[in-house]
Amino acid sequence: AQKVTQAQTEISVVEKEDVTLDCVYETRDTTYYLFWYKQPPSGELVFLIRRNSFDEQNEISGRYSWNFQKSTSSFNFTITASQVVDSAVYFCALSEGPRSWGKLQFGAGTQVVVTP
Amino acid sequence: ETGVTQSPTHLIKTRGQQVTLRCSSQSGHNTVSWYQQALGQGPQFIFQYYREEENGRGNFPPRFSGLQFPNYSSELNVNALELDDSALYLCASSLARLAGGKETQYFGPGTRLLVL
Repeated sequence: AQKVTQAQTEISVVEKEDVTLDCVYETRDTTYYLFWYKQPPSGELVFLIRRNSFDEQNEISGRYSWNFQKSTSSFNFTITASQVVDSAVYFCALSEGPRSWGKLQFGAGTQVVVTP
Repeated sequence: ETGVTQSPTHLIKTRGQQVTLRCSSQSGHNTVSWYQQALGQGPQFIFQYYREEENGRGNFPPRFSGLQFPNYSSELNVNALELDDSALYLCASSLARLAGGKETQYFGPGTRLLVL
């Protein structure tokens, strides 16, 4: 069964618009980690953010912000004032514990296209 | 850049052949994880190595095997290649204090394997 669901396959925006990416996860563990990675056309996965299950505080880092809600098992990610360089596939990932910390389980990804 | 390197960048093989992919982890990292990413999908966990021992394996057959060396670099070997093995193979390194640590994984640029 899919543990991480990214329902949006592609989002197209015009530069400077905000983009919100949805992620819903499933786990029975009380301790787990959630991640967002970005994959530009070059293929390398770039780490963006990480959150543990005990910290529901939502933060902003530059143009990135996230909304973690355990009650709805969601971990949404927002890019504010998008730029063309933000065009990439974005993956949400789950790391369950304690015996599977090293195994990242990825969603199918959301393609973000930012046009000038 | 993460400091994780992979070689080769691209590879073409025929069905039934064997292939070896290589990964050099980020300086100071002791754990390497391998993922397979088919076109249009999220990465799938193959296995992880911690201090030269396999530490966790995903749902991949035994013809997928690996090694980690004393300098923490790693190899992924695939025997009896099948057409479905065509994918981007990503390695990720991290610094774990214990086997199966929950530290963030940093990815290399990947090796694109095409099996004909």
